[in-house]
Amino acid sequence: EAGVAQSPRYKIIEKRQSVAFWCNPISGHATLYWYQQILGQGPKLLIQFQNNGVVDDSQLPKDRFSAERLKGVDSTLKIQPAKLEDSAVYLCASSYTGTGGTQYFGPGTRLTVL
Amino acid sequence: DAKTTQPPSMDCAEGRAANLPCNHSTISGNEYVYWYRQIHSQGPQYIIHGLKNNETNEMASLIITEDRKSSTLILPHATLRDTAVYYCIVRGNNAGNMLTFGGGTRLMVKP
Repeated sequence: EAGVAQSPRYKIIEKRQSVAFWCNPISGHATLYWYQQILGQGPKLLIQFQNNGVVDDSQLPKDRFSAERLKGVDSTLKIQPAKLEDSAVYLCASSYTGTGGTQYFGPGTRLTVL
Repeated sequence: DAKTTQPPSMDCAEGRAANLPCNHSTISGNEYVYWYRQIHSQGPQYIIHGLKNNETNEMASLIITEDRKSSTLILPHATLRDTAVYYCIVRGNNAGNMLTFGGGTRLMVKP
């Protein structure tokens, strides 16, 4: 089966610009996750969707980050405006059996903010 | 906060077994032990998980101690492609239980 797809793979922007990342989960997976991974650290959960509803967004910096999953399939994560400390890899994952299921990760989008 | 402790790095000779330890002394009765790995420039890859019993799949074996306070991931015949950061994670299997990644163990397989 096809894995989790993400685009773009790389993005370079200047601070205060906006950027958006796209994720298409594995077909049939109801739960979708966005993680942020700063260089040298493990991934940190930003937001979790069950179908098109938010389950957990407690770690999402809501003053600049937003995410949506309007039709319960693909999702976008946006940063506006970007800061230097947002430089990281943004990973999308999905799981089948709700939040208790095994998560499968996409390749990530590497963001560099100059 | 991560509920696990892992050594920051380990080396293994190619073709030998790689044994990666993990301590999770505060694990609860309904929490599973999950292992993921992350090869450079890729997303984390699921390896295996278990609750009480030892588990084996095509990638690895997971040995969990009887008191469940520690576990060992075993790669039976390590190859250069197994060089990666290995994450041990404990989590429940109910709604709302998320993966909390720690620093992991950087395994270097050497020829």
